[in-house]
Amino acid sequence: DAGVTQSPTHLIKTRGQHVTLRCSPISGHKSVSWYQQVLGQGPQFIFQYYEKEERGRGNFPDRFSARQFPNYSSELNVNALLLGDSALYLCASSLKTGQPGNEQFFGPGTRLTVL
Amino acid sequence: LAKTTQPISMDSYEGQEVNITCSHNNIATNDYITWYQQFPSQGPRFIIQGYKTKVTNEVASLFIPADRKSSTLSLPRVSLSDTAVYYCLVGDMPGYGNKLVFGAGTILRVKS
Repeated sequence: DAGVTQSPTHLIKTRGQHVTLRCSPISGHKSVSWYQQVLGQGPQFIFQYYEKEERGRGNFPDRFSARQFPNYSSELNVNALLLGDSALYLCASSLKTGQPGNEQFFGPGTRLTVL
Repeated sequence: LAKTTQPISMDSYEGQEVNITCSHNNIATNDYITWYQQFPSQGPRFIIQGYKTKVTNEVASLFIPADRKSSTLSLPRVSLSDTAVYYCLVGDMPGYGNKLVFGAGTILRVKS
């Protein structure tokens, strides 16, 4: 069975540009979450979507937005890129939301470098 | 959300048992304790989750004392491939969202 997939694997952008990152959850999973991991730190929560609705938002500026499609895949968009946005962006999927033992499965991430 | 405190790093040798302790003094009644493992340039991987007492699966054990203010992840007979960052997370699972709050984690280095 395929795990969580993310594209692209690596991305290089310049300051001020816009980027779209994509995530396909495990088949049957309806919840998708996005995390940002800066080098040397733990992942930081950005968004969670469940059944195409936003269920949680972390402490990130409005330049960050996301959406979930009817097939439960998701996109993370970042506008007006800053050097500090350089990080590994992780997507995680789970069957449901807000239940004990609801394990989240992470994808390999997209490495974004902003020059 | 309860804050967690873990050692920054630990060293061990192949074949030894490794115990990583996490402190979470402000854990709430609804909070569960979850451990994740992360290798470089990969996403975190779920290891184990528990609420109280002891939980064991095929890769690890989780010990939680009665007051739940700390927990210990136990890895039996580690190998070189267990070298990774281990995160202790505490959160309200039966909540509105499934937000995971990661700390800095513990870097485990296994030597031969």
